Amino acid sequence: DAGVTQSPTHLIKTRGQQVTLRCSPKSGHDTVSWYQQALGQGPQFIFQYYEEEERQRGNFPDRFSGHQYPNYSSELNVNALLLGDSALYLCASSRGDRGGNEKLFFGSGTQLSVL
Amino acid sequence: GQNIDQPTEMTATEGAIVQINCTYQTSGFNGLFWYQQHAGEAPTFLSYNVLDGLEEKGRFSSFLSRSKGYSYLLLKELQMKDSASYLCAVRAYGGATNKLIFGTGTLLAVQP
Repeated sequence: DAGVTQSPTHLIKTRGQQVTLRCSPKSGHDTVSWYQQALGQGPQFIFQYYEEEERQRGNFPDRFSGHQYPNYSSELNVNALLLGDSALYLCASSRGDRGGNEKLFFGSGTQLSVL
Repeated sequence: GQNIDQPTEMTATEGAIVQINCTYQTSGFNGLFWYQQHAGEAPTFLSYNVLDGLEEKGRFSSFLSRSKGYSYLLLKELQMKDSASYLCAVRAYGGATNKLIFGTGTLLAVQP
């Protein structure tokens, strides 16, 4: 049973460029959340996708956008990259609107470096 | 607003017991999670508390007091492989069901 997979594992971009990160959720999961983790910090919630729609958004600018496909996989797009966007980007999957103790399963992340 | 506090770093000895504290302030509480994260790896789930009391799972236990906004993670019989960052995360009501607010993490170093 494959867990959450993310690609690429590492990426180097320059300021002003655009980047797309990809995530495939754990089998049986339909909800994908994206988090940004700066060095030495905890993950910060970017947004969550469920049924191909953005369900909630954290405190991130519109430069951060996403998409979810019918197979539940998801993309995170960041436009006009800034040096401060350098971080580990984590994808987490879970099962829908069930409440309770539905725990998140995290992928290994994409390490983005903006030069 | 929402705020989660936990110590930045802790050091303990192999075979010993260590307690990592977490205090939180949230508007609407719907569960507290502990995750372990080794350097360069994904966070992995350790425990979940939604009611007051102690949850025990092998060498790891987690405690919650909702009235005090307080939780701790207890690690027993420490092993070198327990050296990692431990993340406290709170889930609040409303919006995304599984949106978690994370603390900055506690970096635990286990020494021989």
